[in-house]
Amino acid sequence: AQSVTQLGSHVSVSEGALVLLRCNYSSSVPPYLFWYVQYPNQGLQLLLKYTSAATLVKGINGFEAEFKKSETSFHLTKPSAHMSDAAEYFCAVKGSGGYQKVTFGTGTKLQVIP
Amino acid sequence: GAVVSQHPSWVICKSGTSVKIECRSLDFQATTMFWYRQFPKQSLMLMATSNEGSKATYEQGVEKDKFLINHASLTLSTLTVTSAHPEDSSFYICSAARGGGSNTEAFFGQGTRLTVV
Repeated sequence: AQSVTQLGSHVSVSEGALVLLRCNYSSSVPPYLFWYVQYPNQGLQLLLKYTSAATLVKGINGFEAEFKKSETSFHLTKPSAHMSDAAEYFCAVKGSGGYQKVTFGTGTKLQVIP
Repeated sequence: GAVVSQHPSWVICKSGTSVKIECRSLDFQATTMFWYRQFPKQSLMLMATSNEGSKATYEQGVEKDKFLINHASLTLSTLTVTSAHPEDSSFYICSAARGGGSNTEAFFGQGTRLTVV
């Protein structure tokens, strides 16, 4: 069984400020972890993924996330928020053995204030 | 990156009618496709896993006779919402799996907004 918990359904940051979106996971097997972004009325776009290689993962649009096994966390960060970062972000997990279904968190809506 | 095309992007239908949504992997073959449903301001909930040439595996609570899934080829899966009702109005998203084992990656379609009136 696996699950992810995203802390905070809404996060507001000022333009240029640090973005921190929190995600904690639970998995009975070594996990693969993902962050996706969804713009209104659109599908999901993969930002980055952790697949047991480097614990610090760099993704698109300046985002990165660090896998911390001791904290069972995979928080998403970006040093400086841009207006175009306003969207909904989903953390997701799946087991690493073969292809298994992806379980999504409840999402965090990021608002960027000019 | 791989492209998954979902069609239509939005549809409005009358209560009691059926609606078919297509999910195509344009530049890769996908033996496995997934169908998700997303209610407003909520996360994606997996409805079913579709494997080419075999019956779909439905998640608990999903009516297989209402949400018919066909995965007839390695590049196409369809979801048919039969006898749609207003409560079926939702955002439906498919994903297609590329690769195998630890290199498997899922690519998502752009979603279909279904409104039943």
